[in-house]
Amino acid sequence: QSALTQPASVSGSPGQSITISCTGTSHDVGSYNYVSWYQQHPGKAPKLMIFDVTNRPSGVSTRFSGSKSGITASLTISGLQAEDEADYYCMSYTTSSTVVFGGGTKLTVL
Amino acid sequence: EVQLLESGGGLIQPGGSLRLSCAASGFTFSMTSMAWVRQGPGKGLEWVSIIAASGGATHYADSVKGRFTISRDNSNSTLFLQMTSLRVEDTAVYYCAKARGLFVFSFDFWGQGSLVSVSS
Repeated sequence: QSALTQPASVSGSPGQSITISCTGTSHDVGSYNYVSWYQQHPGKAPKLMIFDVTNRPSGVSTRFSGSKSGITASLTISGLQAEDEADYYCMSYTTSSTVVFGGGTKLTVL
Repeated sequence: EVQLLESGGGLIQPGGSLRLSCAASGFTFSMTSMAWVRQGPGKGLEWVSIIAASGGATHYADSVKGRFTISRDNSNSTLFLQMTSLRVEDTAVYYCAKARGLFVFSFDFWGQGSLVSVSS
């Protein structure tokens, strides 16, 4: 199972919006609405930000939103803040009843 | 409050064995699928192994199949990862991750991680 494809890095200025893409295949992203997104700050454990493509866990800012079209999912962060600077990973459930992660995207807030 | 506390990591020589544990609390462990996810130095997240709530079904990444064994003790809310024939490339922080429910559609809580270093 190959990793989902994410851009290595994205950047934006405070207050702007950015979108991170996550491209899979018909065996993962394209088969289920079970894409999740994780935020990871240096030296910390990952934190769930979005589950089931569009849902936010309790306590996650409404500035974070998710979507999906075909085999590509996206995470959008609006009103960028300095604290959003982190690595972001997408993950999808697969037709093999396992999961697959994206390679990760480093978000820099300029 | 959900808590996942990993233990058992350390420095081990290639070919050696190590057993990781993850003590869980704050949720109904026996009704939740669990997983081990690792992150090599400077690398991304890689799922290692998944176990169903009952322990009846397990899955392994190709990179560890035949060398690692995942198991759980539902009576003591503990997850395990037995690692054998360790390789240098197994060096990573190993996270215990809790699925949102019966199925591993997403992981809503993660442990703090346990560092495994494989080196001679």
